[in-house]
Amino acid sequence: EIVLTQSPATLSLSPGERVTLSCRASQSVRNYLAWYQQKPGQAPRLLIYDTSNRATGIPARFSGSGSGTDFTLTISSLESEDFAVYYCQQRNNWLYSFGQGTKLEIK
Amino acid sequence: QVQLVEFGGGSVKPGGSLRLSCAASGFTFSDYYMSWIRQAPGKGLEWVSYISYSGSTVYYADSAKGRFTISRDNARKSLYLQMNSLRAEDTAVYFCARDRTDRYGSGFMDVWGQGTTVIVSS
Repeated sequence: EIVLTQSPATLSLSPGERVTLSCRASQSVRNYLAWYQQKPGQAPRLLIYDTSNRATGIPARFSGSGSGTDFTLTISSLESEDFAVYYCQQRNNWLYSFGQGTKLEIK
Repeated sequence: QVQLVEFGGGSVKPGGSLRLSCAASGFTFSDYYMSWIRQAPGKGLEWVSYISYSGSTVYYADSAKGRFTISRDNARKSLYLQMNSLRAEDTAVYFCARDRTDRYGSGFMDVWGQGTTVIVSS
């Protein structure tokens, strides 16, 4: 089973700042990594799939990069609606796993 | 619009059973894999199971294997999760999601329902 480790667990930032979230896999997932955003009481929303492809309707300030075992999600300039929990997710050998999440909070 | 609506959650005693349903609309249901994902209170996301287009292929997380059964009815555009031998640790919000698995290795969930709550407690 592939374990995804996200860092940091929590980030405190201000609107307008640039942020990079990290996701590390215990073994290579090639480029098959996705990112989701979840706000309290809501379902997760797909942001990025296959490392760097933005999902439909996702603003250009969200971008993804990486390969193999190390991946990042970057938000170029934080908006107030971006404060949420972010999860990475992979599929390997027909099984899925999620990272434990990074909480982005307002400073 | 593309929508998934789950129902069937509720409170059940340990050892009991529950059947969750998910109704799809706004897309050709039979063209997509479908998944169940759960989230325990205050915790992260945990993938539970997914099912292929026709239902011929299913996969489960270890935590669900032998107790949960995923199925689908393409004519009714519905996804199901039969949960037996429920434990306290199965308490969670259960989400159904449209699954974009492909044969090359990619897999992600692009449409999610709002979730249904399952509470397992004596």
